[in-house]
Amino acid sequence: EVQLLESGGGLVQPGGSLRLSCAASGYTFSSYAMSWVRQAPGKGLEWVSTIRNSGDNTYYTDSVKGRFTISRDNSQSTMYLQMNSLRAEDTAVYYCAKGSWEQLVRTPIDYWGQGTLVTVSS
Amino acid sequence: DIVMTQSPDSLAVSLGERATINCKSSQSVFYSSNNKNYLAWYQQKPGQPPKLLFSWASTRESGVPDRFSGSGSGTDFTLTISSLQAEDVAVYYCQQYYSNPHAPTFGGGTKVEIK
Repeated sequence: EVQLLESGGGLVQPGGSLRLSCAASGYTFSSYAMSWVRQAPGKGLEWVSTIRNSGDNTYYTDSVKGRFTISRDNSQSTMYLQMNSLRAEDTAVYYCAKGSWEQLVRTPIDYWGQGTLVTVSS
Repeated sequence: DIVMTQSPDSLAVSLGERATINCKSSQSVFYSSNNKNYLAWYQQKPGQPPKLLFSWASTRESGVPDRFSGSGSGTDFTLTISSLQAEDVAVYYCQQYYSNPHAPTFGGGTKVEIK
């Protein structure tokens, strides 16, 4: 059974940093692209970032470029999101998400974690 | 970026009746080299993460009831629930994964309720 478990969320002041982790199990982690998708309170879904299965290529939505860094450790089946220079508008539930098909980046998401809440406030 | 526009924002349908959700993309998400539309539909129930219903606009995921159907091509897509059940109350999102380089975008969501 595929499981994605996020951790690292919490309350942080504007301008602060936070590192999210996503521990994956139940499938061959190194074969699939992984993504972060966020959802602000009461709002819709917003894609944040994706990393290719090999880790060689990363992609970001414009609003987080230069501030967030996605990475993965295939030996530990874990993905990360380093978030710096956080803003109030980054407040959201952050979901860890798995791509549907091996080796491909441009795929839908077939598994989601339960999410971790990041609150940016003074 | 490709903008995805869903309509309506919400709809209330009687049990057993049809629900129709529309999704329009600002540019075509049809890739002619493989004849596929890079369009997915998700269902999100309160307090839960989204669940993938359809990929390639109309390919139903395993376990999704056949009262759900996806259709459309190019820029215009539809998710239909042929006979609404109580457990279908949720917010539904379309998503394009066509963009290259990779930059998927979601529609704003459509909330489905029981009338």
